[in-house]
Amino acid sequence: DVKVTQSSRYLVKRTGEKVFLECVQDMDHENMFWYRQDPGLGLRLIYFSYDVKMKEKGDIPEGYSVSREKKERFSLILESASTNQTSMYLCASSPYSNSPLHFGNGTRLTVT
Amino acid sequence: KNEVEQSPQNLTAQEGEFITINCSYSVGISALHWLQQHPGGGIVSLFMLSSGKKKHGRLIATINIQEKHSSLHITASHPRDSAVYICAVRELGGGADGLTFGKGTHLIIQP
Repeated sequence: DVKVTQSSRYLVKRTGEKVFLECVQDMDHENMFWYRQDPGLGLRLIYFSYDVKMKEKGDIPEGYSVSREKKERFSLILESASTNQTSMYLCASSPYSNSPLHFGNGTRLTVT
Repeated sequence: KNEVEQSPQNLTAQEGEFITINCSYSVGISALHWLQQHPGGGIVSLFMLSSGKKKHGRLIATINIQEKHSSLHITASHPRDSAVYICAVRELGGGADGLTFGKGTHLIIQP
């Protein structure tokens, strides 16, 4: 079974802090994704990566950056956290473009 | 961009009832996904389909490409089926990530 592991389930940070959300998958998947999920808005794509060191902006990249130095790890970075980044963050991976996504358990981030 | 609408938004039913959740979309697709999210956050992929019907246990997913509509059915519903069910579509020619998600249907099955 594919395992996608997000480093934290709950995280509380202060406004202005730099925040790192880590995601690791164990199935050698090419594609990795970061989504945020907010009530009434559904899942929205922040960034995705289809290969090591490659990244593409999603629908809402502002205020975020990503890093993919190794195939199994995809990090989401909030350079200077703000309260409007309080959300549930979900990482996912897939082996190729038209295949099901495998999700992590999510990180609920609160920025105060 | 595709618009994905799910109905109902919220559904409460009694254990044993037959459940139907609907998903409609606006632009031609290459595939439609049904996902399940339990309280606590983790999302599981239930089905990916591009035509016809798929069945897994008590879950059945159907799609009508001409009508741009899909349904997820749960037979003999059980409290453990309580979750948010999310529909997502991949547009024709969509790249590494061409998924558009619906807002989800919050299902509660009461014992």
